[in-house]
Amino acid sequence: KNQVEQSPQSLIILEGKNCTLQCNYTVSPFSNLRWYKQDTGRGPVSLTIMTFSENTKSNGRYTATLDADTKQSSLHITASQLSDSASYICVVWGLGANNLFFGTGTRLTVIP
Amino acid sequence: ETGVTQSPTHLIKTRGQQVTLRCSSQSGHNTVSWYQQALGQGPQFIFQYYREEENGRGNFPPRFSGLQFPNYSSELNVNALELDDSALYLCASSPPRRASGLNTGELFFGEGSRLTVL
Repeated sequence: KNQVEQSPQSLIILEGKNCTLQCNYTVSPFSNLRWYKQDTGRGPVSLTIMTFSENTKSNGRYTATLDADTKQSSLHITASQLSDSASYICVVWGLGANNLFFGTGTRLTVIP
Repeated sequence: ETGVTQSPTHLIKTRGQQVTLRCSSQSGHNTVSWYQQALGQGPQFIFQYYREEENGRGNFPPRFSGLQFPNYSSELNVNALELDDSALYLCASSPPRRASGLNTGELFFGEGSRLTVL
């Protein structure tokens, strides 16, 4: 069964600290993996996209890694800011028109 | 800003009523997908429209229906509303498929329509 699981479900960190969010998937075949940031009550916004051949990709303070062999991805946030408080959703795209699988997200809260 | 706009942003309906949600896709995007997101959950795929035709459907009953217009804007209609239909409804548009015919999965989301069913 194609699934995307994220951990932890929620996380609280102090402003300025780093954190890492995890995404494990069983989607096969695999096309690409995306991380989205979703502020409360807003639509998700894309942070990174990685294909099978990419191991790491950065977008400012966000760095995503991908291990296609173990089917694991992580999102590392450096020097967190209060504005990083949001849900982070991992989305895996299989091959085919509608093979898009969403994780349930990690709720990150950054406190001063 | 993704260029995808949804309306209304919030609405309240009662059980049994019908609702229409609207979405304007980003300029040049010909594929529109709709998602339902319950509180604390990830988005669930409802259906996708490509060139005015339904191009895939998730596990939602027939009372969830849609349309795509020649300008690629789209509507989501839900009949006989139930309490569990209360959710954030997200619309996402995608750019035209590449020459290979593959959809890369790029999604540009709107801000959503928050539906509350009482």
